[in-house]
Amino acid sequence: GENVEQHPSTLSVQEGDSAVIKCTYSDSASNYFPWYKQELGKGPQLIIDIRSNVGEKKDQRIAVTLNKTAKHFSLHITETQPEDSAVYFCAASPPNDYKLSFGAGTTVTVRA
Amino acid sequence: NAGVMQNPRHLVRRRGQEARLRCSPMKGHSHVYWYRQLPEEGLKFMVYLQKENIIDESGMPKERFSAEFPKEGPSILRIQQVVRGDSAAYFCASSQYRGNEQFFGPGTRLTVL
Repeated sequence: GENVEQHPSTLSVQEGDSAVIKCTYSDSASNYFPWYKQELGKGPQLIIDIRSNVGEKKDQRIAVTLNKTAKHFSLHITETQPEDSAVYFCAASPPNDYKLSFGAGTTVTVRA
Repeated sequence: NAGVMQNPRHLVRRRGQEARLRCSPMKGHSHVYWYRQLPEEGLKFMVYLQKENIIDESGMPKERFSAEFPKEGPSILRIQQVVRGDSAAYFCASSQYRGNEQFFGPGTRLTVL
């Protein structure tokens, strides 16, 4: 089955700086890569996703890049704000599948 | 436009008791997925249900765990004779179509004493 690894496990950044989280996956057939943000006591919320037919996708201050050859994808948050503090999870899924395989999560802390 | 609803949000059980976790999918969604999150870990797939049918239960322990999604009412994840190792957050997700674009509920945090 799919194995997703996520780094780093914790990340502390100064407000206004950028944050980058990286994930690798094992199943070359995977073609859907969502990112979820989980705030304390809440469920994961989808913030951005990418499919393997594109290499990069942006939505305001967040962007995701995908390198299918190397089997890794990254989340970039620019101009970080205190409300960006949360746990972020990457996930991967093969085509026409419903099982999301999650990374272990990255706890992001934005220092004011 | 309510999202995925789960209740209870917190559940405390003693070893040997039963735990029942409920999930109401988003309006218009007929596909439900249950995931378990252990402390410091990512979510792990347990089971996928469509109305009245279990499609895939490959991630669910064979003993003590069961799930249903009746024609009327919420989906229920049932854990019988709970043990301390069952303590975790259980998340339900739903989708309009079978697939990976899933929307998650707030979770039920189960504590087994």
